[in-house]
Amino acid sequence: DAKTTQPTSMDCAEGRAANLPCNHSTISGNEYVYWYRQIHSQGPQYIIHGLKNNETNEMASLIITEDRKSSTLILPHATLRDTAVYYCIVSRKTSYDKVIFGPGTSLSVIP
Amino acid sequence: NAGVMQNPRHLVRRRGQEARLRCSPMKGHSHVYWYRQLPEEGLKFMVYLQKENIIDESGMPKERFSAEFPKEGPSILRIQQVVRGDSAAYFCASSLEGAGTDTQYFGPGTRLTVL
Repeated sequence: DAKTTQPTSMDCAEGRAANLPCNHSTISGNEYVYWYRQIHSQGPQYIIHGLKNNETNEMASLIITEDRKSSTLILPHATLRDTAVYYCIVSRKTSYDKVIFGPGTSLSVIP
Repeated sequence: NAGVMQNPRHLVRRRGQEARLRCSPMKGHSHVYWYRQLPEEGLKFMVYLQKENIIDESGMPKERFSAEFPKEGPSILRIQQVVRGDSAAYFCASSLEGAGTDTQYFGPGTRLTVL
């Protein structure tokens, strides 16, 4: 079973920030938070990951709470092409720990 | 730097035939993962391989399914005697380090249709 819980679906207006929450209350000290997304019919795409500090790259920002029990992925200016299913995953930074995808959040960006 | 390549992109088989799905990881990656996605469902882990070794096959059905990642050449996911329930998208991913230690990069998938 996935170790994370996410809302099933969300809407966001085009041009606004999309904030996608994720709960991972049982996360352990050596587990990272990863975000992937899957645009319809395509292979999943890596977005960002972090351990405890907030992270930012050209695609998104990741905000992790101080207790690490939840995080938020922020797409600062959502476009129609950001419509996808977004997966939040926790994974150990050791070998041989398979990645388990939950159902994710289906984000619809609305014109 | 070419990404993860999968072929064929679409595969049609009749019940009872064999399906062979190929995955070429990104250059320099020695870890390969296979996932299955049934229609309208999420990604399910099947198997994790390193060169010439199966590390974790806990998600792979015990019968009819097998996977390999030889020293030379692509990783192969083989499904023998396919049934309609095998119809799905099969995604391959690769990483530079081991599972959980580095980002997994996914291929475009192979869509298998069993008639």
